[in-house]
Amino acid sequence: GAGVSQSPRYKVAKRGQDVALRCDPISGHVSLFWYQQALGQGPEFLTYFQNEAQLDKSGLPSDRFFAERPEGSVSTLKIQRTQQEDSAVYLCASSKIINLGTDTQYFGPGTRLTVL
Amino acid sequence: DQQVKQNSPSLSVQEGRISILNCDYTNSMFDYFLWYKKYPAEGPTFLISISSIKDKNEDGRFTVFLNKSAKHLSLHIVPSQPGDSAVYFCAASARSNDYKLSFGAGTTVTVRA
Repeated sequence: GAGVSQSPRYKVAKRGQDVALRCDPISGHVSLFWYQQALGQGPEFLTYFQNEAQLDKSGLPSDRFFAERPEGSVSTLKIQRTQQEDSAVYLCASSKIINLGTDTQYFGPGTRLTVL
Repeated sequence: DQQVKQNSPSLSVQEGRISILNCDYTNSMFDYFLWYKKYPAEGPTFLISISSIKDKNEDGRFTVFLNKSAKHLSLHIVPSQPGDSAVYFCAASARSNDYKLSFGAGTTVTVRA
């Protein structure tokens, strides 16, 4: 079956430009996560959705970062006025159930954002 | 502050031998631990996990060992195969907010023929 897909796979932005990154989770998955992975580091949690509700946005680095999942399926991560330090791979993950416990998170291939 | 640490950025091992990857954590609230494997240009894929009520979990060629008193876990791959060449991430979560995974920086494993 189809996994988590993300688009675009690569994005180059000029400093100050706004960008929007899309995530299509596995069909029927309730939970959706965004992570930021800087070069040479592991993924770092940004935000978590349960259906359309954003239950945790504690990892968003600044108010320039905004995420939404209006219909409980596709999600968009938006970064306003991009800065060079925003350059990273942005990973989306989804999982099946609400009571997460040990439920597996399935990751997409990521969007590599480069801010010039 | 890095709560999960993988102190070896790389590991090279001969095909057929054992690969041992190490991971240390600082947060005593962590009670669930996972290993993810990542190939270039792909997202991480789940490999194996262990709950803090166990000290060992085995799945085929992969075994994870947990030493809670030392806040240390390791992943053993026996025997190593060329397809195991990848980046391996250790991750941990706490029951209080168990959706939030904390990852280490990864260890790149290269299996030599």
